[in-house]
Amino acid sequence: GDSVTQMEGPVTLSEEAFLTINCTYTATGYPSLFWYVQYPGEGLQLLLKATKADDKGSNKGFEATYRKETTSFHLEKGSVQVSDSAVYFCALSDQDTGRRALTFGSGTRLQVQP
Amino acid sequence: EAGVTQFPSHSVIEKGQTVTLRCDPISGHDNLYWYRRVMGKEIKFLLHFVKESKQDESGMPNNRFLAERTGGTYSTLKVQPAELEDSGVYFCASSQVVRQDRYGYTFGSGTRLTVV
Repeated sequence: GDSVTQMEGPVTLSEEAFLTINCTYTATGYPSLFWYVQYPGEGLQLLLKATKADDKGSNKGFEATYRKETTSFHLEKGSVQVSDSAVYFCALSDQDTGRRALTFGSGTRLQVQP
Repeated sequence: EAGVTQFPSHSVIEKGQTVTLRCDPISGHDNLYWYRRVMGKEIKFLLHFVKESKQDESGMPNNRFLAERTGGTYSTLKVQPAELEDSGVYFCASSQVVRQDRYGYTFGSGTRLTVV
C-alpha cells in the first residue's frame, strides 16, 4: 500500500538557518504530494502541493519539488523564523487507486530558536 | 466563511466510558473525513462521508467506533467503550469536491482525546 516516510524530529534550528525536512513516498499510482503544517493550538493547514513530476510547490518561503525518480518531496526554506515553529506533515493522495483519503507521514516537529 | 469546527477541543474520560466527538464542516462541503493521530505517530484515515453516506470506512479500527452524518451536515464519531489505545488527536476535514489533489482539504483544529 501507499506510505510516506519523513525524518524524525524534533528539528531545532536557529533563526535564519536553512531548513530541510526529508520526505519519501511509495505509491501504487501517480500521487499528488502535499505538505501540511500544524501550528500550536491550531488545525492542519495546507502549506503547499504538487500534482506531477518536477512540479515545485511553494508558499510562505517554503518550497518542495516533486521528484518521481527518487520518490521524494523534501521541504526546504532558506531562512526560518521563530514563527515557523510547528509540526510539518508530508502527505500523498493517490487518486489512481480510487481512494480519496490522504496518506500522511508521522510528522516532524520544527523548533526555531531566536 | 467559517472553517471546520470540532468540539470538544479536549476530552478526558475513563476507560470503558463513552465519548462523542462532533465535527461541523464548512457549509456546502459534501465530503467529510475523519482522521486520527495516535501517540505522535502518523495521521491515519478513519472514514469518508459523501453527504450522509459512508463512502469509505476502511480505516475504522473496530466496531467500538461509530460515525454518523445525519442529514449530510455535521458528523459525530462515537467511541464506546473507550480503551486506552484510543487516546490521540481526532481530526475532521471537509472539501467541496472529491479531487483534493487539486484543492486540498480544510481541517479542523482537532479533538484531543485522553483515555485514562
